[in-house]
Amino acid sequence: GAGVSQTPSNKVTEKGKYVELRCDPISGHTALYWYRQSLGQGPEFLIYFQGTGAADDSGLPNDRFFAVRPEGSVSTLKIQRTERGDSAVYLCASSLSGALYNEQFFGPGTRLTVL
Amino acid sequence: DAKTTQPTSMDCAEGRAANLPCNHSTISGNEYVYWYRQIHSQGPQYIIHGLKNNETNEMASLIITEDRKSSTLILPHATLRDTAVYYCIALSGSARQLTFGSGTQLTVLP
Repeated sequence: GAGVSQTPSNKVTEKGKYVELRCDPISGHTALYWYRQSLGQGPEFLIYFQGTGAADDSGLPNDRFFAVRPEGSVSTLKIQRTERGDSAVYLCASSLSGALYNEQFFGPGTRLTVL
Repeated sequence: DAKTTQPTSMDCAEGRAANLPCNHSTISGNEYVYWYRQIHSQGPQYIIHGLKNNETNEMASLIITEDRKSSTLILPHATLRDTAVYYCIALSGSARQLTFGSGTQLTVLP
């Protein structure tokens, strides 16, 4: 079946611009996660949604980062006034529910490059 | 969540068992041990998890020591497609997000 998809696969932008990254989770998965992965490091948690609401946004680095999931399926990660340090692969994952034992299924990621 | 320590890299010959160690000496009683792997340019993939008993599935086996301070992920017959970064994660029952460390780069050699 269809896995988690993310668009675009690559995004190049200029410093100061606004970007939106999209995640389509597996159908029926109520939990959705965003992570960020810098080169040579493991993914870092950004935000977790249970349904439409952000259950935990403690990983968002600052107020330039915002994410929404208005209908409880597709999610958009929004970054305002991008900085060169925002360059990374942004990963989205979904799971059947937020229960601990539900494995998280990851998408292929969006590679963001800020020039 | 408890900190985990893994070797930076390991090699394994194709067809042989790959044994990946993980130390989690400060793990608490309600923390599970999870393993994920990440093949180059892909998102992480779940492998297996356990609390205190050894676990086996179609991908791997997980051996947890009796004191739970360390564990070993075993890929019984490694193939070239198993070349990846393997992450060991200790996760408490209340946590939902995964906390990845640097992982172990496993290279399966022909």
